[in-house]
Amino acid sequence: AQSVAQPEDQVNVAEGNPLTVKCTYSVSGNPYLFWYVQYPNRGLQFLLKYITGDNLVKGSYGFEAEFNKSQTSFHLKKPSALVSDSALYFCAVRDRNFNKFYFGSGTKLNVKP
Amino acid sequence: NAGVTQTPKFQVLKTGQSMTLQCAQDMNHNSMYWYRQDPGMGLRLIYYSASEGTTDKGEVPNGYNVSRLNKREFSLRLESAAPSQTSVYFCASRDRDGSYEQYFGPGTRLTVT
Repeated sequence: AQSVAQPEDQVNVAEGNPLTVKCTYSVSGNPYLFWYVQYPNRGLQFLLKYITGDNLVKGSYGFEAEFNKSQTSFHLKKPSALVSDSALYFCAVRDRNFNKFYFGSGTKLNVKP
Repeated sequence: NAGVTQTPKFQVLKTGQSMTLQCAQDMNHNSMYWYRQDPGMGLRLIYYSASEGTTDKGEVPNGYNVSRLNKREFSLRLESAAPSQTSVYFCASRDRDGSYEQYFGPGTRLTVT
């Protein structure tokens, strides 16, 4: 079965520093991978996706993600963190059944001024 | 556009009571989903509807039923609530194009005592 893992419950970073939120995946076939963000008391919002093509995917709010097939990873990155980036981040993968998706356990990002 | 709306926002039930969570989307999307979010568990798929007239089980369907009333509406019913169903419930929708992006509602926070 398809799955994703987010090994860090929490990531702390100072404002202005680069940030990385990690995600590894396990899939059969080609992976379709996604990142979502959740602000407090809100639903999830789509950030970016990898379907095929360039290994570096750019998304909303200055975020990007690097797909690494050999390491089965899809880490979320941003060159310079903002306090407003503090939120819960979820990695997700599409099931081979096109209509189902599996989410990771989430990583809480804390950006301190 | 309102996007995905959910009612109610909050609900407290006693064990054994029943209730229906309502979800509607105004984006003319074909697929709709119900997830539950629990701390440390991420989002888990309860049921989904690939298109009007079809529903399928997700990862954690026990204790729930769903109805795809029409293309816009997808309801989730708890027939006999249990404390283990205390959670935050999210509805999401997705078009049938190749974007795979899901749009989430604001969530329903349910407590079962």
